[in-house]
Formats: sequence, C-alpha cells, structure tokens
Amino acid sequence: NAGVMQNPRHLVRRRGQEARLRCSPMKGHSHVYWYRQLPEEGLKFMVYLQKENIIDESGMPKERFSAEFPKEGPSILRIQQVVRGDSAAYFCASSHRFQATRDTDTQYFGPGTRLTVL
Amino acid sequence: KQEVTQIPAALSVPEGENLVLNCSFTDSAIYNLQWFRQDPGKGLTSLLLIQSSQREQTSGRLNASLDKSSGRSTLYIAASQPGDSATYLCAALGPTNDYKLSFGAGTTVTVRA
Repeated sequence: NAGVMQNPRHLVRRRGQEARLRCSPMKGHSHVYWYRQLPEEGLKFMVYLQKENIIDESGMPKERFSAEFPKEGPSILRIQQVVRGDSAAYFCASSHRFQATRDTDTQYFGPGTRLTVL
Repeated sequence: KQEVTQIPAALSVPEGENLVLNCSFTDSAIYNLQWFRQDPGKGLTSLLLIQSSQREQTSGRLNASLDKSSGRSTLYIAASQPGDSATYLCAALGPTNDYKLSFGAGTTVTVRA
C-alpha cells in the first residue's frame, strides 16, 4: 500500500507565476488535508477536503490560493501569482476517518513539496 | 485557538544519553496528541499517537506521556543514537474540531557519536 504521494518534490517559480501542487492520498483514503511549513516555523493547517467538497478552508489565504479534490485524480493546491512569501514546504496528509470507531484516526503525511519563489 | 510550544528549540547530546523533549498546549480539550519525526528536507514520520483517554504510549526506545490537565506531553528517547538526530514535532488534535492538527515549531536534536 503506497503512502501519500506528492509531486513535484521541489518546485521553483518566479514571482507572478502559478504553482500547482499535487497530492495523491493513500489508497482507500477520501479525506485530504494541506499544511504549510514556513521556514523556522511549525506546520499550519490550510484546508481540509473530501472528494469534490471543501470542508474547511479557514487556514488558507483568501486570495491567490485555491484547492480541489476531484472525483477522479489527485488533490491540487493552486497558488496564483506567487510571491516570495509563498516559499515554504507544503505537506499533504490523508485519512480514512472511520466514524464507527471510538478513537480518532491518524493523518498520514506525504513527503512535501518545497516551493521556492525567485 | 490552540497554541503548541516545544522547548527547547534545539538539543545536542552525546550518544547513549536519554533524551527528554517537552511539548505544551494551551487548550486541554484535545482529541489526541501526536509526535512526529522530520528529517532535513523530508516528510513527517508518525512516531507515537496518544488518545485523550490515554496517559502514555510506548514504542521501542520511545515513550510519550500525556497530562491533559496541565497541557503537557513529554517524549522520552532512551539510549540515544546518532540516527536519532532529527527534528521532533508534536501536534495536538482539537479542541475545535477533530481534523485540524496544531503543530509546535519542533525540537532539533543532534546526537553526537
């Protein structure tokens, strides 16, 4: 069972360009979470998606950032007109969310995409 | 809003010494507390997850305790090895919802051979 996959692993963009980050959840997982790690800081929650639905985008900047998780294919985090402050590591996690169990389920993290904006 | 703090930010010990990493959180109404390991330029590896109803979890040389009332968790690594050198992150789930992890900034550990 392959883990969470993210690509590309490293992405370099010039200011004003678009960045598209992809995340394929673990097999059988239908819940995806995106986190951002700025240099010297902890990971910060950005958005939580289920297939075709955005459940919580409270951690995502209101402008230039968008996320989707279509019925088919990976989840995409899209950053338009990137600025230097967008340089960070972007991590995706997935989970199954067994509602029937007493304990909360675990989020499994991908290797991250490191975005550098020149 | 949940705030998670890890002290110290960095730690250097000789091989064989036991490691004690501290994590504190401001809101004790959490669902669980998780410890991760992050190697430079790599992703996160989950080490231990302690549910809110539990007091500790153990895996090999690792032991994590949870004291919800005081808002603290401690990760113990026994008989440290150079391969334990990494950044250790703790993350609290909750209280507002059961999907949003709040991370500390991490403790960077160096184990000297």
